Amino acid sequence: SQTIHQWPATLVQPVGSPLSLECTVEGTSNPNLYWYRQAAGRGLQLLFYSVGIGQISSEVPQNLSASRPQDRQFILSSKKLLLSDSGFYLCAWSVGVREGGGYTFGSGTRLTVV
Amino acid sequence: AQSVSQHNHHVILSEAASLELGCNYSYGGTVNLFWYVQYPGQHLQLLLKYFSGDPLVKGIKGFEAEFIKSKFSFNLRKPSVQWSDTAEYFCAVNAGSGYSTLTFGKGTMLLVSP
Repeated sequence: SQTIHQWPATLVQPVGSPLSLECTVEGTSNPNLYWYRQAAGRGLQLLFYSVGIGQISSEVPQNLSASRPQDRQFILSSKKLLLSDSGFYLCAWSVGVREGGGYTFGSGTRLTVV
Repeated sequence: AQSVSQHNHHVILSEAASLELGCNYSYGGTVNLFWYVQYPGQHLQLLLKYFSGDPLVKGIKGFEAEFIKSKFSFNLRKPSVQWSDTAEYFCAVNAGSGYSTLTFGKGTMLLVSP
């Protein structure tokens, strides 16, 4: 069966420090991968998605970047964190729109920038 | 691009009350529609989904949703809520053809009092 792993679960980082959040998927190949940010009262905002290795699409201008070095690995990064980067970050995967496009989400990372 | 509007940010009900959470989407073509639920401290989970066919969709835990194309709506219903239904509920949509990422509403926080 397919599983998605996301870590760390919580992270407290000072302003100006770098960030690396990792997400891996098991039990499937060539998944579509996504990074969302969830903020209270604002729902889920799509940050990046990837339909293949090395292919990254950015939905909104951010102080963040994403990379997909391997088929089932998706990394969210920042060179210098801002206070506004605080939030709950969710990784998700899907097989494709023909299967209905439903996503499976990881457990999330609570990032607090101090 | 598609968008999703959830009418209520917070809903408070007593156990055994009936529930209806509103969801309207904006998109001119065919769509896939979803309701996700996030119980306190847990992952986002798929509650139910609509691709095509019968517009009345039944999901887990006694939830159902009805797709009304003429109203661009996909309201979530449950005849009798339980305390364990306390959670945040998200409506989501993506295009029914081609590749399209999932767009979420801002969520509705449901609190069921025992």
